[in-house]
Amino acid sequence: AQTVTQSQPEMSVQEAETVTLSCTYDTSESDYYLFWYKQPPSRQMILVIRQEAYKQQNATENRFSVNFQKAAKSFSLKISDSQLGDAAMYFCAYLETYNTDKLIFGTGTRLQVFP
Amino acid sequence: DAGVIQSPRHEVTEMGQEVTLRCKPISGHNSLFWYRQTMMRGLELLIYFNNNVPIDDSGMPEDRFSAKMPNASFSTLKIQPSEPRDSAVYFCASSTRTGRGNYGYTFGSGTRLTVV
Repeated sequence: AQTVTQSQPEMSVQEAETVTLSCTYDTSESDYYLFWYKQPPSRQMILVIRQEAYKQQNATENRFSVNFQKAAKSFSLKISDSQLGDAAMYFCAYLETYNTDKLIFGTGTRLQVFP
Repeated sequence: DAGVIQSPRHEVTEMGQEVTLRCKPISGHNSLFWYRQTMMRGLELLIYFNNNVPIDDSGMPEDRFSAKMPNASFSTLKIQPSEPRDSAVYFCASSTRTGRGNYGYTFGSGTRLTVV
């Protein structure tokens, strides 16, 4: 069964600095999607960034980028120029491309941003 | 589009009562998911539907939980009878596959359920 592991329960960063959140996953599939979701105190689950496994190029969305290492099954999220509004829980998630629509989540990383 | 709409936003009920959570998916999305979020267990998939048909209910904790999707625009998650350990945030999400690289998976705002 596929699993997603986030080994950092909490992280902190100073405003304007850069922080990287780690995620590893386990799968025997070659084609899949990976996601990072943000959950602020409002509890809304917000899609931050999406990566397709067949694409070698790392996805980027403004200040958010990923480092996707398929062979190592690693999918880290880098937040540049951190802002106070980035403070939230961040969840890494895995989705098989063909056989199922089930999104499998990691346990989350709580990010604190200090002024 | 208004997104995935869940109601109520908050629900407080007494142990033993029936609770019904509601969800309206995004129009055109053909998959619907119910997740439960707790501090202890994180985000758990309870059940998901594809084209209104339940595909996988292996995450439903016990017979007290049931879910229905009578049509493409509405789903319910029912707990009867409710217990204090059911207290959690329940999320509904919907999704569609519209070609490679254009996969959408959108969450509602969640229902915070408290059973006292």
